Amino acid sequence: EAQVTQNPRYLITVTGKKLTVTCSQNMNHEYMSWYRQDPGLGLRQIYYSMNVEVTDKGDVPEGYKVSRKEKRNFPLILESPSPNQTSLYFCASSLAGVEYEQYFGPGTRLTVT
Amino acid sequence: QKEVEQDPGPLSVPEGAIVSLNCTYSNSAFQYFMWYRQYSRKGPELLMYTYSSGNKEDGRFTAQVDKSSKYISLFIRDSQPSDSATYLCAMNYGGSQGNLIFGKGTKLSVKP
Repeated sequence: EAQVTQNPRYLITVTGKKLTVTCSQNMNHEYMSWYRQDPGLGLRQIYYSMNVEVTDKGDVPEGYKVSRKEKRNFPLILESPSPNQTSLYFCASSLAGVEYEQYFGPGTRLTVT
Repeated sequence: QKEVEQDPGPLSVPEGAIVSLNCTYSNSAFQYFMWYRQYSRKGPELLMYTYSSGNKEDGRFTAQVDKSSKYISLFIRDSQPSDSATYLCAMNYGGSQGNLIFGKGTKLSVKP
């Protein structure tokens, strides 16, 4: 089954404790992206990657890191999480040139206390 | 002015009603216009897309783009309770500029 998977689905952590949210897709997509979704603010892009070893900042990159060492994986790293990073996070992927058709993962609900 | 504006609702309609969802935008360089549907506790999924101006129909759903007015619409005919979801409009520039700009979403509830 073609899909985007994210782990963990739910995470409660404390301020300053480094964490990684994994994202994997099995569709051989070049383009991958991370979004956060907050009430009243909608979906905002954090980082994106056009292909392996090619990443760039989205609209709200502060406090996040990403890497793209393999085509299928695009982990999101929070080196020192803060309460304002409490949010619902989505990973998405698409074929290059067809970025209007992005496939989203199920979401990761992160709470930072 | 934000790039993409969308009324968050919520919008509640009876089953069988025609639903109209809308977004306005400010950047005339957008080329692709999408509607994503997001069910509760799920990720968004692409419902329809339109390239440039015009209409596109898919079953009970019709997407319209008016680039002269910078206005896009999604119409749902004969709405069903299963259409209850948040509808997100999204746009991008096409070509190598692949990033999507999303509206905030409109929450729709279709009552039986």
